[in-house]
Amino acid sequence: DGGITQSPKYLFRKEGQNVTLSCEQNLNHDAMYWYRQDPGQGLRLIYYSQIVNDFQKGDIAEGYSVSREKKESFPLTVTSAQKNPTAFYLCASSKTGTVTNEQYFGPGTRLTVT
Amino acid sequence: QQQVKQSPQSLIVQKGGIPIINCAYENTAFDYFPWYQQFPGKGPALLIAIRLDVSEKKEGRFTISFNKSAKQFSLHIMDSQPGDSATYFCAAQNSGGSNYKLTFGKGTLLTVNP
Repeated sequence: DGGITQSPKYLFRKEGQNVTLSCEQNLNHDAMYWYRQDPGQGLRLIYYSQIVNDFQKGDIAEGYSVSREKKESFPLTVTSAQKNPTAFYLCASSKTGTVTNEQYFGPGTRLTVT
Repeated sequence: QQQVKQSPQSLIVQKGGIPIINCAYENTAFDYFPWYQQFPGKGPALLIAIRLDVSEKKEGRFTISFNKSAKQFSLHIMDSQPGDSATYFCAAQNSGGSNYKLTFGKGTLLTVNP
């Protein structure tokens, strides 16, 4: 099956701890994205990457970091500097070089920080 | 700032009704407009999309209407069913841009009563 996997589905952390969310895709897509979803806020872009070893900040990058060492993987680290980390995190991927950007989403990770 | 404004925030219809969700945009460079459907606890899935040069697109019970001069587009769901109950997001993209970013609306929670 081709698709995007995110793990774990639920994640609990204590305040002050860094936590890394996993995102893997086997769709052979060049571009990958991380979004944060809060009730009533829609999808807000955290970081995106169009090619291995390169990534750009999205609209709400503060307190987050990413890496893109492999085409298939785009992990997101939520650092202790993120003031309100509790949210639903979504990873997506898409082809590049096409006219339209059809993004495919993973199932999401719900992070709770207490 | 690029924005896509989506309304209403929530919508309740009876089975068989035709819910309509509206989106408006400001950036005249946008030329690709997808709609995503999201069920609780899941990632969004691409439902239907339209390009700037098309005024209407139908896929099954879902129809997008596009008004280029008004910079507005709408999703219509014909013969709605309880299984259509979900959150719907509109989005927009400048496909001539270099970063493949999608700008999302804040979502509409649709409830279809049996």
